[in-house]
This record gives sequence, structure tokens and C-alpha cells, in this order.
Amino acid sequence: DGGITQSPKYLFRKEGQNVTLSCEQNLNHDAMYWYRQDPGQGLRLIYYSHIVNDFQKGDIAEGYSVSREKKESFPLTVTSAQKNPTAFYLCASRPQFGENQPQHFGDGTRLSIL
Amino acid sequence: KNEVEQSPQNLTAQEGEFITINCSYSVGISALHWLQQHPGGGIVSLFMLSSGKKKHGRLIATINIQEKHSSLHITASHPRDSAVYICAVNARSNTGNQFYFGTGTSLTVIP
Repeated sequence: DGGITQSPKYLFRKEGQNVTLSCEQNLNHDAMYWYRQDPGQGLRLIYYSHIVNDFQKGDIAEGYSVSREKKESFPLTVTSAQKNPTAFYLCASRPQFGENQPQHFGDGTRLSIL
Repeated sequence: KNEVEQSPQNLTAQEGEFITINCSYSVGISALHWLQQHPGGGIVSLFMLSSGKKKHGRLIATINIQEKHSSLHITASHPRDSAVYICAVNARSNTGNQFYFGTGTSLTVIP
């Protein structure tokens, strides 16, 4: 079945450590997104990518980095510069950026600080 | 200021009740989405609307473009409907389409 796979489901980070969240899709979608979800807040956009080898900062990109070397993969690195990384992270994709099409979401990764 | 506002934030209903969740937005949109987030965190797209009304099973979504308002209705609610329902809009911007999300409505249906 086609879909988006995020891993791991739960992740723990020590202070000062970088961690990478995986997002893989087999839907042949061009556009991919990373969102952060905090209690009582709507999803906030961290980074997005329209096409391979191109990505743009979203509203809260500070302390995060991404890469898009392959169409199916859009990993997110939470760096030590992100002072409040504890949150639920969701990856999404859709066929093309700019089209009126719904996003497909992964099941999320919950990141906590040890 | 949030571009998308939902109400209520929390909702508890008895099984079988008719439920309405409201969404208002303040930006120009090309489409509005209703999403369902299960307790495990995964999100499923329920509807995408640009005008009028859509129905899928016991779920009905309506949108009034002039009033910038949408409603999600659940008829004959069931405990398995318990989830967080999120309204999102596909807004027009200088960089192309951008998504804005409401904070969600947490629905609990009691048997």
C-alpha cells in the first residue's frame, strides 16, 4: 500500500545532541512537508520541499535542517540549537505544490528530551 | 492572530447525538480541509471543499465562502468517532499555496 512512513515513533534526545527523524513516501509525490505540533496549537510548518534538491524554510525553521536528495525521502534533523524540541512531528506530502490537493500525513514522531 | 479558528475546543457527546464543529478563517483560500487525528497521532484527510457541501457516510462538511465559515457535522455519533478534528485552509500567498491549521476540536463520544 502507498503511504508515508515516519520513524521512529518515539525518540529521546539528550541535551546538546542532534537527532534525525525519518520520512519516506512511496506515493510518487513531489511536495513534502514537516510540521511541529504542540498542545493547544495548530500545526506549524518547519520546512517544505517542492522538488528534489530544493527546500524552503517554513514559519519555525530555526534549529532544524532538512535534505531532499531523493524524491521519496525528506529527513528532518533537530539540532542542538533548537532549545525546545519536545513536540510531536508530522511529515506530509502531496502530489504537487500549488495544486488543490489534500496532504497525506505520516503517523508522526514524538520527540522528548532526557 | 490565528488565520483559522475552530470551536468548540473540546466536545463531549452521548452516542447517537448530532455533532457540529465550526471553523472560521480570515484569509483568501482555494480550498478548505477537514482532518481527523486519532489518539496515536496519525492524521487522515476527511474532506476537501472549495464550495457547497460534501457527504461521506455519517460525515457532512459545508462551506460558505462569502462568510468564510465551514462546519463539520457528524450524524448518529459513535465512540469510534472520538478524535481530534482539525480544520485547515489552503491559502493563496505570494509564494503560492500555503496551509494554515486550526488548533483542533477534541471530540469524545460516550457510549
